[in-house]
Amino acid sequence: EVQLVESGGGLVQPGGSLRLSCVASGFTFSSYWMNWVRQAPGKGLEWVANMNKDGSEKYYVDSVKGRFTISRDNAKNSVYLQMSSLRAEDAAVYYCARGANYAFHIWGQGTMVIVSS
Amino acid sequence: QSALTQPASVSGSPGQSITISCTGTSSDVGSYNLVSWYQQHPGKAPKLMIYEVNKRPSGVSDRFSGSKSGNTAALTISGLQAEDEATYYCFSYAGSYTNWVFGGGTKLTVL
Repeated sequence: EVQLVESGGGLVQPGGSLRLSCVASGFTFSSYWMNWVRQAPGKGLEWVANMNKDGSEKYYVDSVKGRFTISRDNAKNSVYLQMSSLRAEDAAVYYCARGANYAFHIWGQGTMVIVSS
Repeated sequence: QSALTQPASVSGSPGQSITISCTGTSSDVGSYNLVSWYQQHPGKAPKLMIYEVNKRPSGVSDRFSGSKSGNTAALTISGLQAEDEATYYCFSYAGSYTNWVFGGGTKLTVL
């Protein structure tokens, strides 16, 4: 079964850091771009970052540039999102999603990030 | 890049057909046949329903179809069923790998 499972969410204080993980199974992980997409409570979807197959290219939405870092370990079938200098507006459910043909074909169940003092 | 424009809500009765529009610009929807649509039920992860304007992933009902004309894409759901009640988001490639944006979402109510 093709599956993505996120973890690492939780409660963090403003200015703090958190590392999200996403483990893939059921497909050849190294053959796909991977994405992080978030959804603030009651809001729509927002693309956050993506990375190409070998990790040599990384792209971010402007609001997280310099604060978030996407990375991957193809040997572990995993993609990560290191988040630092977190703000209240970063609070959201974070989904990892497998990309292909500029669409998001497979989604994880999401992990919630709460930013609050 | 601006968000794609979708109606906030649409509704229909069981068995009817509805269409959700997604309006972009000549820089995104109008330039690329790379529009995708996602269904999201409350508390659940989004699910891909249509990609590359009108292609359905395996397992998606053929009641769902996509189209595009100029700068506007559309998702049509025929033979509405109660389980179709959800929020639908569109997405379009816009010529770069960064600052991708979704539509604002359309809540479909099955009356």
